[in-house]
Amino acid sequence: LAKTTQPISMDSYEGQEVNITCSHNNIATNDYITWYQQFPSQGPRFIIQGYKTKVTNEVASLFIPADRKSSTLSLPRVSLSDTAVYYCLVGAVSNYQLIWGAGTKLIIKP
Amino acid sequence: GAVVSQHPSWVICKSGTSVKIECRSLDFQATTMFWYRQFPKQSLMLMATSNEGSKATYEQGVEKDKFLINHASLTLSTLTVTSAHPEDSSFYICSARDISFAYEQYFGPGTRLTVT
Repeated sequence: LAKTTQPISMDSYEGQEVNITCSHNNIATNDYITWYQQFPSQGPRFIIQGYKTKVTNEVASLFIPADRKSSTLSLPRVSLSDTAVYYCLVGAVSNYQLIWGAGTKLIIKP
Repeated sequence: GAVVSQHPSWVICKSGTSVKIECRSLDFQATTMFWYRQFPKQSLMLMATSNEGSKATYEQGVEKDKFLINHASLTLSTLTVTSAHPEDSSFYICSARDISFAYEQYFGPGTRLTVT
């Protein structure tokens, strides 16, 4: 199972675009990249998932370079309510046991 | 869709007693459910993987006799913390994998256990 590395924390301001990069040098061919958001005392919430290139949904975009050794979660025009911990995980579809790293604590300021 | 519920959302029990936590997939069938534990300001730690109709697979270091897991149906898994001690106080989270959409896990809201 691939291990991921993310910044421990990040600060930004309301209305800005926030990019959180995750490193996963040992990602396997069958691994997908998934990002979750977690608020205090709540279960994680799925944000986005991708395998390669770019994926976009109504809340975020996920950019994955060709070598797939990293990925970037992009949150457009963040608000105070986006303050949370963001986890990047990689895992194979067939198994999908997830190893959770430390996550990135994102703090949005007014 | 894809809602996972947990009950109770929080529980306080005395040391030495047992506590059961339920995890339900409300609108989908889950062949696999996962149980996690999360201590304050720490990440999630996988405790066990539960497959419907079979014994759970526990992660290294997790006592199977202390954390009893039952996955009797495609919509319900239970975690029983037996003979609870204060060090078992934690946030317990379950997740379920939708057999129709194998790529995603859906997480429950968590259960806060406090052992006094």
